[in-house]
Amino acid sequence: GAGVSQSPSNKVTEKGKDVELRCDPISGHTALYWYRQSLGQGLEFLIYFQGNSAPDKSGLPSDRFSAERTGGSVSTLTIQRTQQEDSAVYLCASSLAPGGQGAYGYTFGSGTRLTVV
Amino acid sequence: KQEVTQIPAALSVPEGENLVLNCSFTDSAIYNLQWFRQDPGKGLTSLLLIQSSQREQTSGRLNASLDKSSGRSTLYIAASQPGDSATYLCAMGVIQGAQKLVFGQGTRLTINP
Repeated sequence: GAGVSQSPSNKVTEKGKDVELRCDPISGHTALYWYRQSLGQGLEFLIYFQGNSAPDKSGLPSDRFSAERTGGSVSTLTIQRTQQEDSAVYLCASSLAPGGQGAYGYTFGSGTRLTVV
Repeated sequence: KQEVTQIPAALSVPEGENLVLNCSFTDSAIYNLQWFRQDPGKGLTSLLLIQSSQREQTSGRLNASLDKSSGRSTLYIAASQPGDSATYLCAMGVIQGAQKLVFGQGTRLTINP
């Protein structure tokens, strides 16, 4: 596609439920990232996928968070047993080259606003 | 520790003024620096990308500079317009450890008509 697509754009869930957030990166982009932006906070790195390599999960805040990337394209971020502190905007980005190198850097999607009630 | 600091946190100026947003970073292993714009409730829009080997990039009324030796970048906006009102984020690209962007907290810019 022309840009990074994320769905849903908004999600309201009850505390304790599981949620899945989807990211469809730009076609041909080998690198995919998930970030979280909490209210009044900066963007926090969560996880990084590069090609078929094992993902870098160093930013995931707890074992309730997991992500997968199927076929080197679409990625799903799953949050199990959601807590109120998980409420945030979850942003996905992709880049043509590893680590955002190259002429275009990173391209971000519009995000999924998650509200846990 | 990899950190990015943006000053000021908020800025309000009259329309037509030229202005400078500042960004400082701690990691000399930076390989690029990217400026983004974020409108309320929206995602990030890339404005300018400066590779570590470059000193500046220009796009229209925007000019971004990079000084690795001092750990600083500036975003210059000429002839500001009300439509420039947004939060501006500076992010450094790092490849040591996790390959990722490290973001500043942003500068919230308001251009008054």
